[in-house]
Amino acid sequence: DQQVKQNSPSLSVQEGRISILNCDYTNSMFDYFLWYKKYPAEGPTFLISISSIKDKNEDGRFTVFLNKSAKHLSLHIVPSQPGDSAVYFCAARTGGYQKVTFGTGTKLQVIP
Amino acid sequence: DTAVSQTPKYLVTQMGNDKSIKCEQNLGHDTMYWYKQDSKKFLKIMFSYNNKELIINETVPNRFSPKSPDKAHLNLHINSLELGDSAVYFCASSQVGQGWTEAFFGQGTRLTVV
Repeated sequence: DQQVKQNSPSLSVQEGRISILNCDYTNSMFDYFLWYKKYPAEGPTFLISISSIKDKNEDGRFTVFLNKSAKHLSLHIVPSQPGDSAVYFCAARTGGYQKVTFGTGTKLQVIP
Repeated sequence: DTAVSQTPKYLVTQMGNDKSIKCEQNLGHDTMYWYKQDSKKFLKIMFSYNNKELIINETVPNRFSPKSPDKAHLNLHINSLELGDSAVYFCASSQVGQGWTEAFFGQGTRLTVV
């Protein structure tokens, strides 16, 4: 039962354009959402997060949007840069023991 | 200084062997985790320890046994290795008590069972 889903395994975007990565979830008990970025042969690194009580969080070129009614969140990268090419994981946290569940990832390629 | 370090980075071993992966964090976090990334690239939590106490134990075969000698270390021991255990194993740590932080990951250990 995959509670966090990233339905696009890959995405290609031209440098300078906007990258939009999507994520859907099924568990209403998730209270916090995160995006991680992963380069080959490295561990995931934290990128940006959003609490379930908010609908938008911005950090430089990265913005995360949360639509609770649709159980959907998205990560916008503007402008996209070649160094952004990586696998992006969406993740969601439940309370209690703070378990974090990851999606399957979307591989972003930014073309120079 | 590496925040979360795990060794070895690569591990190739034969079926039936027993192996261990070590993990250490120098962030002062109270919680550590083991995640498994399988061939489908799905990152799935296996175990979580909070202050040396097991708090999350997903459906993992008994052949996998985590050991936390102190809150800065969480090792993973695997008995009787099987072909299906081949995967990348990630250790991570976070702060759960007194203010939650996101998880910091190690660089991963690629285990190949032949």
